[in-house]
Amino acid sequence: DTGVSQNPRHKITKRGQNVTFRCDPISEHNRLYWYRQTLGQGPEFLTYFQNEAQLEKSRLLSDRFSAERPKGSFSTLEIQRTEQGDSAMYLCASSSGGTGAKGNQPQHFGDGTRLSIL
Amino acid sequence: GQQVMQIPQYQHVQEGEDFTTYCNSSTTLSNIQWYKQRPGGHPVFLIQLVKSGEVKKQKRLTFQFGEAKKNSSLHITATQTTDVGTYFCGTSYGKLTFGQGTILTVHP
Repeated sequence: DTGVSQNPRHKITKRGQNVTFRCDPISEHNRLYWYRQTLGQGPEFLTYFQNEAQLEKSRLLSDRFSAERPKGSFSTLEIQRTEQGDSAMYLCASSSGGTGAKGNQPQHFGDGTRLSIL
Repeated sequence: GQQVMQIPQYQHVQEGEDFTTYCNSSTTLSNIQWYKQRPGGHPVFLIQLVKSGEVKKQKRLTFQFGEAKKNSSLHITATQTTDVGTYFCGTSYGKLTFGQGTILTVHP
């Protein structure tokens, strides 16, 4: 178990630029989640996948945000035309998943990508 | 969607004192999960409660789920400096919906 891996750890970019983050989940986990966390707040849900299917997207996820998990393994989160308000820690998590009680498995988080918009 | 409110926002204790954080919802929850986030770290799963009135213990930590499944608490007995961090409750239905967290600081 190598844990959830996120790259890069830090990203500094100018307003208006596009950025892309990568998440590699724990290999046997079929569910992958993206959250955003700002200072002093709990993580806010953005979107999640079961295998390659994107099952839910938050209303927080504007049209500038897109996430993919093309082969059901790693995932990317892209933010287009970044804005100051996008500055945050972007956390990825993974879990095993299923229906009913199996749908509530513990989530394992990566160390996150800290995005700073200049 | 389901929301959980967590209090207090901050708690400062002297090492050896006890600590409790509370999680409340206006709706019945199917489960409560608790996570700990150390300063500069990521959330780490502690425990999940699913049954009405359930109580679980992990060493000095005691977790409770209310009879109505609308509230939960985490109690730490005799805090240590290693307990510092932010404690989050959350409810999972696919995604996790987190409370605001309680930041615990422990003075040696």
